[in-house]
Amino acid sequence: DTGVSQNPRHKITKRGQNVTFRCDPISEHNRLYWYRQTLGQGPEFLTYFQNEAQLEKSRLLSDRFSAERPKGSFSTLEIQRTEQGDSAMYLCASSLEPGASQGAREKLFFGSGTQLSVL
Amino acid sequence: QKEVEQNSGPLSVPEGAIASLNCTYSDRVSQSFFWYRQYSGKSPELIMSIYSNGDKEDGRFTAQLNKASQYVSLLIRDSQPSDSATYLCAPGGSYIPTFGRGTSLIVHP
Repeated sequence: DTGVSQNPRHKITKRGQNVTFRCDPISEHNRLYWYRQTLGQGPEFLTYFQNEAQLEKSRLLSDRFSAERPKGSFSTLEIQRTEQGDSAMYLCASSLEPGASQGAREKLFFGSGTQLSVL
Repeated sequence: QKEVEQNSGPLSVPEGAIASLNCTYSDRVSQSFFWYRQYSGKSPELIMSIYSNGDKEDGRFTAQLNKASQYVSLLIRDSQPSDSATYLCAPGGSYIPTFGRGTSLIVHP
């Protein structure tokens, strides 16, 4: 399977604990995005990478959230001191490199997501 | 980020009918638009893209774009129960794709 892979699929944690999610994008994609989605809402942008560089981070994102993409391949999203309000689906998506046509690079391919429940 | 407005629905249509989903956006710069389908508990999946004014057809799906009115729509002909999902609109032209809240479509037999 050459699609976007996310692990774990589900995570249940207690308030105050730290959690880490992993995303493996499509291999030829060098853009990687993290989104958060709650019930009844569209995906909300968190951050994005081009290769290993984190180019944008949502102003709404708490300092408890951090993301890395150390070698420009897989990415991790860590949430420290989780709160009940962090409960959501965390989606990773990747897209083609800037050298591709504009239309092609704007198409996002999503992973299956990680459903986080904070008790 | 671009503002995207969608009626959250649910939009309920009988099987075989035409479902019409609409999206308005605030940014006049957007040159492309994307429709994603999201089944309950699943992640979004790209189903249509449109880059110019007018209509684009793909099977039972037709996307319509009116840049002057900043309006894009998705028509689903011969709706099937398997089309029941949330449909998300996303304008292009940005390195940070922004999504509307989506319209829930229910196709009942």
